[in-house]
Amino acid sequence: DTGVSQDPRHKITKRGQNVTFRCDPISEHNRLYWYRQTLGQGPEFLTYFQNEAQLEKSRLLSDRFSAERPKGSFSTLEIQRTEQGDSAMYLCASSLGYGVGKAFFGQGTRLTVV
Amino acid sequence: AQKVTQAQTEISVVEKEDVTLDCVYETRDTTYYLFWYKQPPSGELVFLIRRNSFDEQNEISGRYSWNFQKSTSSFNFTITASQVVDSAVYFCALSAYYSGGGADGLTFGKGTHLIIQP
Repeated sequence: DTGVSQDPRHKITKRGQNVTFRCDPISEHNRLYWYRQTLGQGPEFLTYFQNEAQLEKSRLLSDRFSAERPKGSFSTLEIQRTEQGDSAMYLCASSLGYGVGKAFFGQGTRLTVV
Repeated sequence: AQKVTQAQTEISVVEKEDVTLDCVYETRDTTYYLFWYKQPPSGELVFLIRRNSFDEQNEISGRYSWNFQKSTSSFNFTITASQVVDSAVYFCALSAYYSGGGADGLTFGKGTHLIIQP
């Protein structure tokens, strides 16, 4: 399978716990994006990387959120001290080059905070 | 600020009918990119088309066609002879031109849930 993969697919956590999601992009893609999607809404941009550099962060990305992409390969998104409002689908996408390739999305990680 | 409006929350048609999904956008940028994505029940967003604001030509790809009208800030999507497999949520999205047409900073609409009945 050469698509974007995300792990885990589903995560249930108690409020106040920390969670970490992983995204493995398509291997030759140097750009990686994180989006969040709540029920009945379109995805909202969170952040993106070009190689290992995090180039842009949305105002939606509060201090409790941190994303990394060490070595420019896979990426992790960590949420500290989760809140019920963090319940959403977290989508990862990757693309090749600047303005060259279309972005391919993974199937997402569905987070439920109870 | 950018905004994308998809006024149709849900559309239900019988197979083989034609259906048009509306998309209206707002941006202060003079140049920008527009996109359509499909989200089947499995959840992943599937890229359908990217169009830059310089190119107002309509596009056809098989049963899909897109009508871009800059004068009315609309980028509508038509499926001809719909099929059950077309059932999905369809999103229209907008990005600033500096994004280079990538997926950074995409502003999505709320989506239109298309149901094709056999």
